[in-house]
Amino acid sequence: EAQVTQNPRYLITVTGKKLTVTCSQNMNHEYMSWYRQDPGLGLRQIYYSMNVEVTDKGDVPEGYKVSRKEKRNFPLILESPSPNQTSLYFCASSAEEYNEQFFGPGTRLTVL
Amino acid sequence: AQKITQTQPGMFVQEKEAVTLDCTYDTSDQSYGLFWYKQPSSGEMIFLIYQGSYDEQNATEGRYSLNFQKARKSANLVISASQLGDSAMYFCAMREAGNFNKFYFGSGTKLNVKP
Repeated sequence: EAQVTQNPRYLITVTGKKLTVTCSQNMNHEYMSWYRQDPGLGLRQIYYSMNVEVTDKGDVPEGYKVSRKEKRNFPLILESPSPNQTSLYFCASSAEEYNEQFFGPGTRLTVL
Repeated sequence: AQKITQTQPGMFVQEKEAVTLDCTYDTSDQSYGLFWYKQPSSGEMIFLIYQGSYDEQNATEGRYSLNFQKARKSANLVISASQLGDSAMYFCAMREAGNFNKFYFGSGTKLNVKP
């Protein structure tokens, strides 16, 4: 089954404790993105990647890092999480021949 | 300036009636794509419909159609014959041709379908 998976789905952590949210897709898509969703703001793009080792900043990259060492994986790293990073995070992937993005199920992160 | 504007935070519609969700966009590109996504209370993002800027016909997918008015820069979603399962958040999004992977989303419209 074609899908984008994210782990963990839920995470409660404390300020300053490094964490990684994993994202993996099995569709051989070149393009992958991370978004955060906050009430009243919709989805905002954090980082995106056009292919292995090629990444670029989205609209809200501060406090986040990404890496794309393999085509299928695109982890999101919070080196020192802060409470303002409490949000719902989505990973998505797409390919040039398709119009839609395929979204993962989301990761709800709470930083205390 | 906002790239995507959805001015209706919440809407109600009676079951079986049609409803229009508004979306306006801002771009200076000639080539771009417009998308609508549905997010039910379970949280997943579901792709509904796509309209390319050069498409002459309005896009349709089942009960969903996109009312594309290029000169007015609007891309309204029309849902015909609303069903209770249509109750959800709806997001309009845009991608400009200059960067295939850069997406802009609106703030969303919460649709409630009344029985």
